[in-house]
Amino acid sequence: DGGITQSPKYLFRKEGQNVTLSCEQNLNHDAMYWYRQDPGQGLRLIYYSQIVNDFQKGDIAEGYSVSREKKESFPLTVTSAQKNPTAFYLCASTWTEITNSPLHFGNGTRLTVT
Amino acid sequence: GENVEQHPSTLSVQEGDSAVIKCTYSDSASNYFPWYKQELGKRPQLIIDIRSNVGEKKDQRIAVTLNKTAKHFSLHITETQPEDSAVYFCAARNSGYSTLTFGKGTMLLVSP
Repeated sequence: DGGITQSPKYLFRKEGQNVTLSCEQNLNHDAMYWYRQDPGQGLRLIYYSQIVNDFQKGDIAEGYSVSREKKESFPLTVTSAQKNPTAFYLCASTWTEITNSPLHFGNGTRLTVT
Repeated sequence: GENVEQHPSTLSVQEGDSAVIKCTYSDSASNYFPWYKQELGKRPQLIIDIRSNVGEKKDQRIAVTLNKTAKHFSLHITETQPEDSAVYFCAARNSGYSTLTFGKGTMLLVSP
């Protein structure tokens, strides 16, 4: 299954609560990414990390935070500051040493905030 | 930054017909162009990719063509089957960056 595990598959939260989405990979990939998917919007990059203890903002980072304490793990926190958090969230990873290495995706977490 | 436009947003074909999805990109330095297929509720999966040093690549019923001068690339699916029904995403990457920029996707519906 590509070696990328996202949990949980479905997540429900009340408005105003922070929530953390898990992403773990056993592919020994250096780089990890978080994308948000909304109907008709494609995949939009939230944050990415190329090495441990370092990460960069993507196109829509506001209201989100990440950490990269281990090579295998890249959790995403959706904070209460995110105005429209309900979406499908996809984690991905790849090698940085290999030019144009393809992205491998996890199965996603569908977050619903009410 | 890179901007990727994808057309059409939806495409309906009869089984056995061909389907073509087109993408344009803005950054002339982009050199890697993958295509992903996403079935309903599932993760995107790479189906084919092309580097800028080639103009066409084929894999059974799927082919991708690249026109660097015009900055566009296309996905061609021949002899479509109902199981080809999915959302297809194109993407582009500049070798100087580690991120992919995706198009907004095309929902392909193949009717039996």
